[in-house]
Amino acid sequence: EPEVTQTPSHQVTQMGQEVILRCVPISNHLYFYWYRQILGQKVEFLVSFYNNEISEKSEIFDDQFSVERPDGSNFTLKIRSTKLEDSAMYFCASKEGDLYNEQFFGPGTRLTVL
Amino acid sequence: GQSLEQPSEVTAVEGAIVQINCTYQTSGFYGLSWYQQHDGGAPTFLSYNGLDGLEETGRFSSFLSRSDSYGYLLLQELQMKDSASYFCAVRAYTDKLIFGTGTRLQVFP
Repeated sequence: EPEVTQTPSHQVTQMGQEVILRCVPISNHLYFYWYRQILGQKVEFLVSFYNNEISEKSEIFDDQFSVERPDGSNFTLKIRSTKLEDSAMYFCASKEGDLYNEQFFGPGTRLTVL
Repeated sequence: GQSLEQPSEVTAVEGAIVQINCTYQTSGFYGLSWYQQHDGGAPTFLSYNGLDGLEETGRFSSFLSRSDSYGYLLLQELQMKDSASYFCAVRAYTDKLIFGTGTRLQVFP
């Protein structure tokens, strides 16, 4: 069964460093998302992406964050200068089309900022 | 503001039936989804309600009342593997998911 994949599974970085989290959505999906979940808390929306541009972003998604679809398969989230409070599990999700309701989530990348 | 409220924890025994409620207050509403998340795992889609009423998928059913801004997930014939966190999530008009606070379900033998 097709699935969303994410790399790395765990990323440790120093405060102020840049990180890139990578995702490979399901191949025929058109809508892409990033969510994050701070340990023990609910999942929070960061950004949605469709047709090579951002559809919507949350208040969390400030100028330190960016997304890119560099080729036909990858979808990346970049944090330019990480802060301690960026430590969380980051989930990528994808959806086949507008008429579909199910977003398929990847296994997540655990980001630890020291 | 936007909020989705769920009970923080529910416990039950194997074979039992459990209902997890969700009340929501959001600026836009398209439908209500339910996701299961095991510890350290990704959210997994369980069901979606776009219209009022009951949707049944095997042992799981989900209900929505748009007029009451309320929904629930019903889990029947509970199994140990059902121990997980369950999140309701509103699909807003803009397609993003707004997740609830989550309910931790513990199933005992």
